[in-house]
Amino acid sequence: AQSVTQPDIHITVSEGASLELRCNYSYGATPYLFWYVQSPGQGLQLLLKYFSGDTLVQGIKGFEAEFKRSQSSFNLRKPSVHWSDAAEYFCAVGGYNTNAGKSTFGDGTTLTVKP
Amino acid sequence: KAGVTQTPRYLIKTRGQQVTLSCSPISGHRSVSWYQQTPGQGLQFLFEYFSETQRNKGNFPGRFSGRQFSNSRSEMNVSTLELGDSALYLCASSPGTSGISSYEQYFGPGTRLTVT
Repeated sequence: AQSVTQPDIHITVSEGASLELRCNYSYGATPYLFWYVQSPGQGLQLLLKYFSGDTLVQGIKGFEAEFKRSQSSFNLRKPSVHWSDAAEYFCAVGGYNTNAGKSTFGDGTTLTVKP
Repeated sequence: KAGVTQTPRYLIKTRGQQVTLSCSPISGHRSVSWYQQTPGQGLQFLFEYFSETQRNKGNFPGRFSGRQFSNSRSEMNVSTLELGDSALYLCASSPGTSGISSYEQYFGPGTRLTVT
């Protein structure tokens, strides 16, 4: 069965600092990988996606993620964090799983941005 | 294109009552999925509909049901509400029928249900 682990429940960074959110997945084939962001009281917004090709993918809001097959990781990065980036971030691996639907989501990482 | 819309945004119900939530997907999207989000359990998949058929179902009791109409709009119903049903209910639609586009999901803002 597919699974996703986001090891960091909560991360705090200063505004302007770089950011890396970790995501490790378990999947029996080449996965579809996604990062979503959720602002308080809102739904999830798709930041970026990966299936094949260049292992460094660019997304919206200045985010990028790198797929590393050898490490089963798909970490999200941003060179300079803005206060508006404070939110919860979810990594997801796609592929039909009867109990999880289209994708299995990680538990999320909450990002706090210090002024 | 307009995004996924959900109505109502907020709802307060009493234990034992039933509730119906509505979701309109992005135009052209035929797949609609429903999720329950709570602080303790995170995002949990309820069910998915595609072309009016339930295609996938999560591990929720039969009190949770849904349907999809010919215009792809979807409703979910919860009967005999319990306190533990208090949650943010999210609807998501998917654009494609194959490949990565069938797995990427576009979420609505959610319906916040409070059961008292």
